[in-house]
Amino acid sequence: DGGITQSPKYLFRKEGQNVTLSCEQNLNHDAMYWYRQDPGQGLRLIYYSQIVNDFQKGDIAEGYSVSREKKESFPLTVTSAQKNPTAFYLCASTGGQGRDTQYFGPGTRLTVL
Amino acid sequence: RKEVEQDPGPFNVPEGATVAFNCTYSNSASQSFFWYRQDCRKEPKLLMSVYSSGNEDGRFTAQLNRASQYISLLIRDSKLSDSATYLCVVLPRTGNQFYFGTGTSLTVIP
Repeated sequence: DGGITQSPKYLFRKEGQNVTLSCEQNLNHDAMYWYRQDPGQGLRLIYYSQIVNDFQKGDIAEGYSVSREKKESFPLTVTSAQKNPTAFYLCASTGGQGRDTQYFGPGTRLTVL
Repeated sequence: RKEVEQDPGPFNVPEGATVAFNCTYSNSASQSFFWYRQDCRKEPKLLMSVYSSGNEDGRFTAQLNRASQYISLLIRDSKLSDSATYLCVVLPRTGNQFYFGTGTSLTVIP
C-alpha cells in the first residue's frame, strides 16, 4: 500500500538526549514536511523539503534538525537544545497528481521524562 | 494577525442537525483551500478540497468566498461519527508552506 509511515508511534526520552523520528513515504512525492502539534493548538511547521538535499526552516526550527538524502525519507532529530519537546510530531508529503494536497503519516508522540 | 483563523468551538449538536464552520484567511493571494478532519490523537485526514465554485461531497458542502476571504464547511444530517476536529488549511499562490487553523471541535450528541 502507498502511504507515509512514521516510527516509532510512541517515544520516551530523558532530558538532554537527542532523538530521531523516522518518516518514510512511497508515494513518490517531492515535498515533505514536519509539524509539531501541542494540545489545543494548531500544527506548527518545523522544517520542509521540496527536493532531495535541500530543506528550509519553518516557524519553529530551533532545537530541531533534518536531512533529506533520499526522496523517500525525511528524518527529524529533536536535539537537547529543544526546550519543550514533548508533543505530537506529524510528517506530511505533497506531490504527484494531487500536487497541492498534503497527506500525513500517523504521527509520533514524544514524551520527555 | 494569524494566517488562518477558526472558531475553536466546541460545537455540540444533536444527531441529524446541520452545522456550519467558517474559517478566515489573511493572504488574499491564497491559491488552494482544504478542510481536514482530525480524530483525537490521530493524524489529520483530507476531508475535501474547496473549489471556487463550491463543491459538495455527500453530506458535506464547502464554499469559498474570495472577496471576504473565508471558506466554510456545512455538514448536513450530522452523524455520531462526524465528531472530530475540523481543520481549515490554506496554501498561498507563492511559496510552499501550508497554513493551518487551530481547528473547530465538533461533538454530535445522540
